Amino acid sequence: QQPVQSPQAVILREGEDAVINCSSSKALYSVHWYRQKHGEAPVFLMILLKGGEQKGHDKISASFNEKKQQSSLYLTASQLSYSGTYFCGRPEGGIYRGSTLGRLYFGRGTQLTVWP
Amino acid sequence: SAVISQKPSRDICQRGTSLTIQCQVDSQVTMMFWYRQQPGQSLTLIATANQGSEATYESGFVIDKFPISRPNLTFSTLTVSNMSPEDSSIYLCSVPSGNGNTIYFGEGSWLTVV
Repeated sequence: QQPVQSPQAVILREGEDAVINCSSSKALYSVHWYRQKHGEAPVFLMILLKGGEQKGHDKISASFNEKKQQSSLYLTASQLSYSGTYFCGRPEGGIYRGSTLGRLYFGRGTQLTVWP
Repeated sequence: SAVISQKPSRDICQRGTSLTIQCQVDSQVTMMFWYRQQPGQSLTLIATANQGSEATYESGFVIDKFPISRPNLTFSTLTVSNMSPEDSSIYLCSVPSGNGNTIYFGEGSWLTVV
């Protein structure tokens, strides 16, 4: 039930780009992305609701291929503040079943380290 | 966005004891969720806390070990019973936004069992 993330870890220099992938063996109706900094709780980044949907937040964007049951998170021109562990989350059930939207199954996470 | 407060934020507990974690939300929500994050691991859903009914537990989690209360629409507690060092984790409560498109997490309760 847990989505699979790759790579497990990424080390970047400031200004470089990175891609984090998330795939699911179960139907993927939507995808949540979170970032967790060391010693802190996870913070919501974005949700992708439709196949093919792309979203962006500052220089962090994501795509969602519902047919392939995959999502990718793109970090462009990385900043030091991007360091942390990124998790994708798969909600159980369809997006219209509101009672399941809080039940998320998370990938193992991708640890991103950005050096100056 | 929802504001979620958890107590305690951190605690060191003796093995064999129990600890109750509180989660307070600044708005009424139908569903509240409890997650566990063991050191270096991902977040794992423990249970869904429903107001007015029994909590629904995920596979591998049982009520005797993790009893949950949900007395009203803004509050829930999770008790970690008969703790062992393997229970050392971050415990987080979460709630969905009104349209369900965002899931907010509390700050977490960092538990160390010695």
